[in-house]
Amino acid sequence: QVQLQESGPGLVKPSETLSLTCTVSGGSIKNYYWSWIRQPPGKGLEWIGYISYTGGTNYNPSLKSRVTISVDTSKNQVSLNLSSVTAADAAVYYCAEGLDHRRFDFWGQGTLVTVSS
Amino acid sequence: QSVLTQPPSVSAAPGQKVTISCSGSGSNIGNNFVSWYQQLPKTAPKLLIYENNKRPSGIPDRFSGSKSGTSATLDITGLQTGDEADYYCGAWDSSLRGVFGGGTKLTVL
Repeated sequence: QVQLQESGPGLVKPSETLSLTCTVSGGSIKNYYWSWIRQPPGKGLEWIGYISYTGGTNYNPSLKSRVTISVDTSKNQVSLNLSSVTAADAAVYYCAEGLDHRRFDFWGQGTLVTVSS
Repeated sequence: QSVLTQPPSVSAAPGQKVTISCSGSGSNIGNNFVSWYQQLPKTAPKLLIYENNKRPSGIPDRFSGSKSGTSATLDITGLQTGDEADYYCGAWDSSLRGVFGGGTKLTVL
C-alpha cells in the first residue's frame, strides 16, 4: 500500500516561502493525482491544489497567485511552494493521492507549519 | 465559512445509527460526486466514501453514503466508540476547486 510522508521546515517567517515535499513510497507517482490540503489548528480542511501525473496543475483561486505544485518522478516526490506567507497560512499540511482530482484516496500523516518571526 | 454545510456535532449511543448531512449547491454537490472522510483524533483524514456511495476496500458496510440533489448524507450504523471522530464531506466545485464541509464531530455516548 502506498505511503506518503510530508517533510519540510516546521517554522517559516512571515513574507517568506513555505516549501514542503511529499515522498511517495510503495507505489508510483505515475497514473495518479497528487493534492495538497491544509488544516489550520482546530479548524476544517482547505484544498490547496493538485498536480496530475502528466504535470497539469490546478490551484485554489484564493491561493493561486502564491502556490506552485510540482512533481519529480525520478525521486517519487511531490512539492508544494507557498510564497509570501502570513500567520493565516499556519496549518497542518497534508499531501494526498487520488485516482482522480476530485477525491483523496490516501493521505500523508501531515506536517505542522508555524508562521512566526 | 465552508462552501459545504455540515452540522457541527452529532451524537448517538453505541449500537445506534447516526446520519450526518452535507448541504451544497448546484455548482458542487448538485453536479459532482461527493466524498466523505473520517478524521480520528490527532490523525490524518481517511477516505470513507467516494462517488457518493462507494466504499474503498477495507471500509465496513456500516458506513454508507447517498446523494439527492444538492445534499448528501453519511449514515453510520452499529455505532462503536471507535467511530468517534470528525467527519468531512468534500466535492468538486464548478469554480475549479475542491471544497469541503466544516466538519461534524461525532460523539458516541
